Amino acid sequence: ETGVTQSPTHLIKTRGQQVTLRCSSQSGHNTVSWYQQALGQGPQFIFQYYREEENGRGNFPPRFSGLQFPNYSSELNVNALELDDSALYLCASSLRAPGEALHFGNGTRLTVT
Amino acid sequence: DAKTTQPNSMESNEEEPVHLPCNHSTISGTDYIHWYRQLPSQGPEYVIHGLTSNVNNRMASLAIAEDRKSSTLILHRATLRDAAVYYCIPDLSGSARQLTFGSGTQLTVLP
Repeated sequence: ETGVTQSPTHLIKTRGQQVTLRCSSQSGHNTVSWYQQALGQGPQFIFQYYREEENGRGNFPPRFSGLQFPNYSSELNVNALELDDSALYLCASSLRAPGEALHFGNGTRLTVT
Repeated sequence: DAKTTQPNSMESNEEEPVHLPCNHSTISGTDYIHWYRQLPSQGPEYVIHGLTSNVNNRMASLAIAEDRKSSTLILHRATLRDAAVYYCIPDLSGSARQLTFGSGTQLTVLP
């Protein structure tokens, strides 16, 4: 069983630029969620995708957007990067069923300068 | 939204049991209670979850109060590898749609 993999592991961008982060879900999972974790804090929910459609969104502006592909892999796009976007971005996959657990990747560390 | 309260930090000696408490007094009747942990430089890792009755798996046990307003994660024999931040999370959607992580409990395991 292949777990959740994210790429790249680290990334440095300049304020105002755009970034795309990638995630491969665990085999058999049909739902993917993205979380942002600032240093010293718990992860914050960005959004979730199910069957290629957004299925819930946290308190993040529209410049945060995503995609889910037919093979259940996913992308997180962030436009017009701000310094406060510097964080660990976590992808998690799961089955859409009551009580199902999230399986997280080890994240992409984004630094905005 | 259900609010959770956990101690900021706890210490345990290696090979001793650890009881990590969580208060979730505003939880509703259909919210699962999830526990995750996060080791340094890794993503969160699922530990256990339950709804009403106590649950056991190879990692831990989850004891849920009869009124469901609190729960306790039990690590039966702490190891150094168990040092992590432990998060108690009510699953409001019932499908892990939007988990709200708080600050969690930083567990330190002493050799």
